[in-house]
Amino acid sequence: AQSVTQLGSHVSVSEGALVLLRCNYSSSVPPYLFWYVQYPNQGLQLLLKYTTGATLVKGINGFEAEFKKSETSFHLTKPSAHMSDAAEYFCAVSEPTGANSKLTFGKGITLSVRP
Amino acid sequence: DAGVIQSPRHEVTEMGQEVTLRCKPISGHNSLFWYRQTMMRGLELLIYFNNNVPIDDSGMPEDRFSAKMPNASFSTLKIQPSEPRDSAVYFCASSLAGFWGQYFGPGTRLTVT
Repeated sequence: AQSVTQLGSHVSVSEGALVLLRCNYSSSVPPYLFWYVQYPNQGLQLLLKYTTGATLVKGINGFEAEFKKSETSFHLTKPSAHMSDAAEYFCAVSEPTGANSKLTFGKGITLSVRP
Repeated sequence: DAGVIQSPRHEVTEMGQEVTLRCKPISGHNSLFWYRQTMMRGLELLIYFNNNVPIDDSGMPEDRFSAKMPNASFSTLKIQPSEPRDSAVYFCASSLAGFWGQYFGPGTRLTVT
């Protein structure tokens, strides 16, 4: 069975500071990994994904994440936080077997950005 | 292209009433997912369909909940009878294949009084 761990429920950074949101996964096969962002009163929006190939993936709004198999991690980073980045962020994992596109989500992390 | 469309966006109803939530997935997507999100329980997968066939409904909380997908472009989630603890935001998502990820609709905020 696959699982996702997002430690902590809330991260606060200053505007312009580095954003680091941690995600660790458990999967019996090489996984597909995703980060989603949810702004207040909106649905989840796909931020970036890793499927195969380059382990450093870039997404929208300046975010990127690196797949590290040895650490079973897929941490999300952004060099300089902007006020508009305040949102909830979800890490998710999928096992690439057959036609299954079911995702297992982490509990989510709320990012606050201080002026 | 239009994304996932959900209706209504907001629903307020009284306990005991029937509630029907609707979803139109992205054209061409072959998997559809229904989720529920609350502060207490977070994001929960209720049921998902592949090629209009229910694959896993283990997340459906009770027999009061039912979901159908009569064709590739429409799905419903029905709650009958509704209870105050069903108050939540219900999301529909669709997917073409695992490596594409899922695309979410804007959600339906359900309030049961």
